[in-house]
Amino acid sequence: NAGVTQTPKFRVLKTGQSMTLLCAQDMNHEYMYWYRQDPGMGLRLIHYSVGEGTTAKGEVPDGYNVSRLKKQNFLLGLESAAPSQTSVYFCATHDRSGANVLTFGAGSRLTVL
Amino acid sequence: AQSVSQHNHHVILSEAASLELGCNYSYGGTVNLFWYVQYPGQHLQLLLKYFSGDPLVKGIKGFEAEFIKSKFSFNLRKPSVQWSDTAEYFCAAQGTGGFKTIFGAGTRLFVKA
Repeated sequence: NAGVTQTPKFRVLKTGQSMTLLCAQDMNHEYMYWYRQDPGMGLRLIHYSVGEGTTAKGEVPDGYNVSRLKKQNFLLGLESAAPSQTSVYFCATHDRSGANVLTFGAGSRLTVL
Repeated sequence: AQSVSQHNHHVILSEAASLELGCNYSYGGTVNLFWYVQYPGQHLQLLLKYFSGDPLVKGIKGFEAEFIKSKFSFNLRKPSVQWSDTAEYFCAAQGTGGFKTIFGAGTRLFVKA
């Protein structure tokens, strides 16, 4: 039982390159989220999904796209990376119960040069 | 707009000192409140949560927090910190019946041995 697994853990990109971050969970949770963590700014919600086949925008969605084709996977894509997207990205999940406590992945550190 | 404010960005304490980290939230309606902690090199994890009932809630490792509705506050406390409490602490809020969690900017705590 791995919980929430993020790949890759580290990546360096050049400006304009594209990449996809994968979040995989084995807890059968309905809700999945992508956050970015920047110093002094806490965690800001990028996109989220309330179930397979659904996605929605969070606080800072610009420059990112997401897909939830399978319940267990939530992909975050950067079509044309910019230095402002240098950050640590966290995936988090929770189930439908009233206790909406987030389970986090280990994070993916992305540097855009 | 919904928001969570943490008063201190960096706190340095000596072992055995008492800790209080401030958190205020702005949210329409009732909220669920959380403190999450990120120890160096580890996942974000739940420290404690408040959904309803007794406004004084206890979490792991001797931490507690008090919900004061009239002040829109949810301050975190520990009577005597240890070196192992060195971590970053995040206050978070979630609308009751909702699912999106909003985080504060975080407080980095360093405990000197």
